[in-house]
Amino acid sequence: GENVEQHPSTLSVQEGDSAVIKCTYSDSASNYFPWYKQELGKGPQLIIDIRSNVGEKKDQRIAVTLNKTAKHFSLHITETQPEDSAVYFCAAKEDFGNEKLTFGTGTRLTIIP
Amino acid sequence: DVKVTQSSRYLVKRTGEKVFLECVQDMDHENMFWYRQDPGLGLRLIYFSYDVKMKEKGDIPEGYSVSREKKERFSLILESASTNQTSMYLCASSLPGPVYEQYFGPGTRLTVT
Repeated sequence: GENVEQHPSTLSVQEGDSAVIKCTYSDSASNYFPWYKQELGKGPQLIIDIRSNVGEKKDQRIAVTLNKTAKHFSLHITETQPEDSAVYFCAAKEDFGNEKLTFGTGTRLTIIP
Repeated sequence: DVKVTQSSRYLVKRTGEKVFLECVQDMDHENMFWYRQDPGLGLRLIYFSYDVKMKEKGDIPEGYSVSREKKERFSLILESASTNQTSMYLCASSLPGPVYEQYFGPGTRLTVT
């Protein structure tokens, strides 16, 4: 089955700086890669996703890049703000017939004011 | 807005008790999922269901069972709770298909003593 590794496990950045979280996956059949954000006391919420036919996707201050050859994808947050402090999870989905998402182990991002 | 609700935010049970965790979604989603979240291990899938009375094992089904008698409700059952089942339990729902968002409930923090 799919295996997703996520790094780093914790990340602290100064407010206004950029943050990058990286994930690798094992199954070349995976074709959908979402990122979820979990704020304190809440369930995870989708913030951005990318499909395997796209190399990069942006939504305001967040972007995701995908390298299918190397089997890795990354989340980039620019101009970080205190409300970006949360736990972030990457995930991968194997194929069209499989409803399962395989999640990474999470990154706790702390924005230092 | 999609809403996924879980019956309890916090639950304390004794070893050997039978425990029921209930999840209800209000958006007529076919898919429902149960995960457990542990520090350093991310989100691990216990069971999921893609239709009423249908269920499939996830990555860590041992010690758990599920029930889905109605489309909107998905129950997780711990037949005989053990201390190693102390964890945060998250329920999610989604539409079927290759690209979809999972909507999560707020979670139930279960402590087994």
